[in-house]
Amino acid sequence: AQTVTQSQPEMSVQEAETVTLSCTYDTSESDYYLFWYKQPPSRQMILVIRQEAYKQQNATENRFSVNFQKAAKSFSLKISDSQLGDAAMYFCAYTPNSGYALNFGKGTSLLVTP
Amino acid sequence: DGGITQSPKYLFRKEGQNVTLSCEQNLNHDAMYWYRQDPGQGLRLIYYSQIVNDFQKGDIAEGYSVSREKKESFPLTVTSAQKNPTAFYLCASSIGGRAWDTIYFGEGSWLTVV
Repeated sequence: AQTVTQSQPEMSVQEAETVTLSCTYDTSESDYYLFWYKQPPSRQMILVIRQEAYKQQNATENRFSVNFQKAAKSFSLKISDSQLGDAAMYFCAYTPNSGYALNFGKGTSLLVTP
Repeated sequence: DGGITQSPKYLFRKEGQNVTLSCEQNLNHDAMYWYRQDPGQGLRLIYYSQIVNDFQKGDIAEGYSVSREKKESFPLTVTSAQKNPTAFYLCASSIGGRAWDTIYFGEGSWLTVV
């Protein structure tokens, strides 16, 4: 069974600073996809960034980037120039290439302070 | 606008009652999903459907039932057999149900047992 672990229940960052959220996963698959989703207070899940395991290059979306370490099974999210609107729950998720749905971690609550 | 509509937003159920949560999408997506979210937990998969008239159990299907008679609709019934149904329920869809397809989420429904 695949599991996703987010070891930081809560994180805090000052506006304009950088923060890194951690995620590790366990799998015996070689081809898979990893995701970070954001859940603001409205509770709607929003895709932040996606990484294909076969790609060496780390994915980047504007202020959001990942550090994907396949051998270590680590997939951290870096948020640069943090904004108040970044405050939310962030979920790491995994699916194997043969998969059909996402396996989620328990989430990290990010607080952004002025 | 295209999207996923869940209703009702809030629902109260008495002990022993069945209730149905509605999920409709106009994205022309083949795959649809139901997830459950409890406080401090990530999302857990209840059921998924990759095509009309076909659906599969997820990790926590006991006490739930679904149907997929139309492409755009995937209602979830929470039966009296579900012993702890109070939770936040999220419906989602993707274009093909493959691992690399982006999964889009609705705004969710809160179910409370009274």
